[in-house]
Amino acid sequence: DVVLTQTPVSLLISLGGQASISCRSSQSLVHSNGNTYLHWYLQKPGQSPQLLIYQVSNRFSGIPDRFSGSGSGTDFTLKISRVEPEDLGVYYCLQRTHNPPTFGGGTKLELK
Amino acid sequence: EVQLVESGGGLVQPGASLKLSCVASGFTFSDYWMSWVRQTPGKTMEWIGDIKYDGSYTNYAPSLKNRFTISRDNAKSTLYLQMSNVRSEDTATYYCTRGFDYWGQGVMVTVSS
Repeated sequence: DVVLTQTPVSLLISLGGQASISCRSSQSLVHSNGNTYLHWYLQKPGQSPQLLIYQVSNRFSGIPDRFSGSGSGTDFTLKISRVEPEDLGVYYCLQRTHNPPTFGGGTKLELK
Repeated sequence: EVQLVESGGGLVQPGASLKLSCVASGFTFSDYWMSWVRQTPGKTMEWIGDIKYDGSYTNYAPSLKNRFTISRDNAKSTLYLQMSNVRSEDTATYYCTRGFDYWGQGVMVTVSS
């Protein structure tokens, strides 16, 4: 199975600051069709995960442009600029390129 | 508005069976692959399996395929997860998801004697 390693495990950020989360894969996430199925989610306290970014860099419906995704191959990054209180929670990456789909271990974003 | 509402969880004894349901609304259920994902008490996320939009194909995590069965009733816009011979390590919150974009609120399953 593909292993996704997220760093850091936790992140202390001031309101209005910028956060960067890394997701590294044990193998390339480029599918044979040329697409890369690496997605990012936020799980707010007491809620289910919500999709933020799909296929590396595409913001899902209603997601503000403060969230951006980048990367290729095995190395991916989620950036959150101008952090707001509603951004707090645990961020997960998910790969669906290879079967079975696998998740990163999560990164907890907290306020400094 | 897309909504997914799971039910059927609770406290169950080791070795027992349990069937979870997920009622979908706000979209054409029969157009979408659906999946089950679980989250352990330690917050680890684990994919359980998928079912094709017409129910003709299912795909499971190898470690679960002998005990878990996913099915759907498109007439009722409902997804199911049949769990058999449950173990303590099946204790988790179970989520249904529409192709990993929308997720239900989750249902807790606790396996304990």
